[in-house]
Amino acid sequence: ELKVEQNPLFLSMQEGKNYTIYCNYSTTSDRLYWYRQDPGKSLESLFVLLSNGAVKQEGRLMASLDTKARLSTLHITAAVHDLSATYFCAVDANRAQKLVFGQGTRLTINP
Amino acid sequence: ETGVTQSPTHLIKTRGQQVTLRCSSQSGHNTVSWYQQALGQGPQFIFQYYREEENGRGNFPPRFSGLQFPNYSSELNVNALELDDSALYLCASSLVGGRNEQFFGPGTRLTVL
Repeated sequence: ELKVEQNPLFLSMQEGKNYTIYCNYSTTSDRLYWYRQDPGKSLESLFVLLSNGAVKQEGRLMASLDTKARLSTLHITAAVHDLSATYFCAVDANRAQKLVFGQGTRLTINP
Repeated sequence: ETGVTQSPTHLIKTRGQQVTLRCSSQSGHNTVSWYQQALGQGPQFIFQYYREEENGRGNFPPRFSGLQFPNYSSELNVNALELDDSALYLCASSLVGGRNEQFFGPGTRLTVL
């Protein structure tokens, strides 16, 4: 059974700092997704990573995928308050569009 | 191009009742997946519909059932509601053969009292 683990689960950081969220998964997959969720809202797609070594960047966020290590990272550069949200990674193990999500990382960015 | 829509937005039911949630998929998408998100947790896959047939189910009991219609819209039905069914129910649509990227609707918040 596929397991997806994120760490940390809670992250409080100051504006201007850098940090990384880690997403580990237990079975082979080359399809990994990152989503953002604001309180009471739905999921907003951030990145789609479809191959080993894939790296995507959007603004202050950069995501990467290492399928051999079964690890994805979401790196935040020079954090700003607007990035405060919960971030989820999700893995599609069989290319069947049946996602298994991590527990989420609740990110709080303080001025 | 319209996005994924869900109705209703919020719903309050009592234990033992039945509920139907609705989802309209994004234009051009042929697959609908349903997820349950309990408070403070990640979404959990309930089931998926493709070509009006169930195409995979997660670890949910049979009282969770669904339908997909010819226009690719979908319903999620839950019978004999339990308190633990209180959650945000998310519908996601996608296109088989595409990037397999799922686009999520705004969700239906179900509260069971």
